[in-house]
Amino acid sequence: GDSVTQMEGPVTLSEEAFLTINCTYTATGYPSLFWYVQYPGEGLQLLLKATKADDKGSNKGFEATYRKETTSFHLEKGSVQVSDSAVYFCALKGGNEKLTFGTGTRLTIIP
Amino acid sequence: KAGVTQTPRYLIKTRGQQVTLSCSPISGHRSVSWYQQTPGQGLQFLFEYFSETQRNKGNFPGRFSGRQFSNSRSEMNVSTLELGDSALYLCASSESGTGREKLFFGSGTQLSVL
Repeated sequence: GDSVTQMEGPVTLSEEAFLTINCTYTATGYPSLFWYVQYPGEGLQLLLKATKADDKGSNKGFEATYRKETTSFHLEKGSVQVSDSAVYFCALKGGNEKLTFGTGTRLTIIP
Repeated sequence: KAGVTQTPRYLIKTRGQQVTLSCSPISGHRSVSWYQQTPGQGLQFLFEYFSETQRNKGNFPGRFSGRQFSNSRSEMNVSTLELGDSALYLCASSESGTGREKLFFGSGTQLSVL
């Protein structure tokens, strides 16, 4: 079945550091890929998405590129802020229309 | 537009009891899906309803059930609660729940089973 493997946390960075959170997936066909973010005490919010190979999703300075050859969708940001502290989830939606999540990566940014 | 509303926000139950959680989707959204979030297992899909019909189901025991009403509001029921059912239960809605459509999540119901 479909699965998502995500870099384990927690990740702690200083403000303005470069961020990468790795995500790889296993799926049949051509899934859509997503990054969701969960701020403390809140539900998930869609951060960005990509629906086909080589697509780049971007939002709020975050980017991720759909790499079919490496089955990856790594999340990057060039300069993180304290307000980026949250839990980040990589997810895919395949042909069965179910959304499959990774286990989440807790990110803490220190000033 | 109001967001996805889940009630109650917190719930404490004891083993063996049953519980019902409620989710009101965004107005106009007909698809409602439910997820269980735990520290150990992450986010796992429970089921999805569309137009009062269960359209998709995850790998949870029959103690977990749900339904959707004609106004698209959904309820989730867990019977014979176990300690391992302690989790944050999240509900998400979308217009049709298909393909690349964006999901909107509620803040969740935190269930503690003692």
